[in-house]
Amino acid sequence: DVKVTQSSRYLVKRTGEKVFLECVQDMDHENMFWYRQDPGLGLRLIYFSYDVKMKEKGDIPEGYSVSREKKERFSLILESASTNQTSMYLCASSAGPGQTRGRAYEQYFGPGTRLTVT
Amino acid sequence: AQSVTQPDIHITVSEGASLELRCNYSYGATPYLFWYVQSPGQGLQLLLKYFSGDTLVQGIKGFEAEFKRSQSSFNLRKPSVHWSDAAEYFCAVASGTYKYIFGTGTRLKVLA
Repeated sequence: DVKVTQSSRYLVKRTGEKVFLECVQDMDHENMFWYRQDPGLGLRLIYFSYDVKMKEKGDIPEGYSVSREKKERFSLILESASTNQTSMYLCASSAGPGQTRGRAYEQYFGPGTRLTVT
Repeated sequence: AQSVTQPDIHITVSEGASLELRCNYSYGATPYLFWYVQSPGQGLQLLLKYFSGDTLVQGIKGFEAEFKRSQSSFNLRKPSVHWSDAAEYFCAVASGTYKYIFGTGTRLKVLA
């Protein structure tokens, strides 16, 4: 089974701190994603990466950056945390078009990190 | 614009009753459609998916969904709900190779 792990389940940070959220997948997936989930808004894509060192902005990239130095690891960085970034953050991965046939679109999710910024 | 609508924010059913969760999408090409479930405090788990072929797809945990192109719908069904099905359910459409568009979710409550 695909396993996607996130470094923390719960995190409390102060306004202005630099925050790192780490995500690791064990299926050699090419694609990795960061979402934030807020009540009534569903999941919104922050950034995604389709290869090592490659990234694209999602729908709400402001205030966030990402890093993908190794294929299995995708980090979300909050340069200066603010209270409006209090949320649940979900990481996901999926096979690329050239990988597992017919399963390129299936995303596998980690358990989430609930971040509170005070 | 591409979008996914889940018109029911909350649904309450009695244990043993049937369930239907609605999902409507707006997408220009042939859609790849998904249903995910999220138990409290957990990530999302894939229930089922539609890529092509038979419009009635079977998933895990006894769920099924029917793709109706004429209605732009992909409703999730279960004939008999169990208390453990209480969770939040998300419908999604794949937009291109990488991206999903998610609905806002339907929270299911099951009465004993």
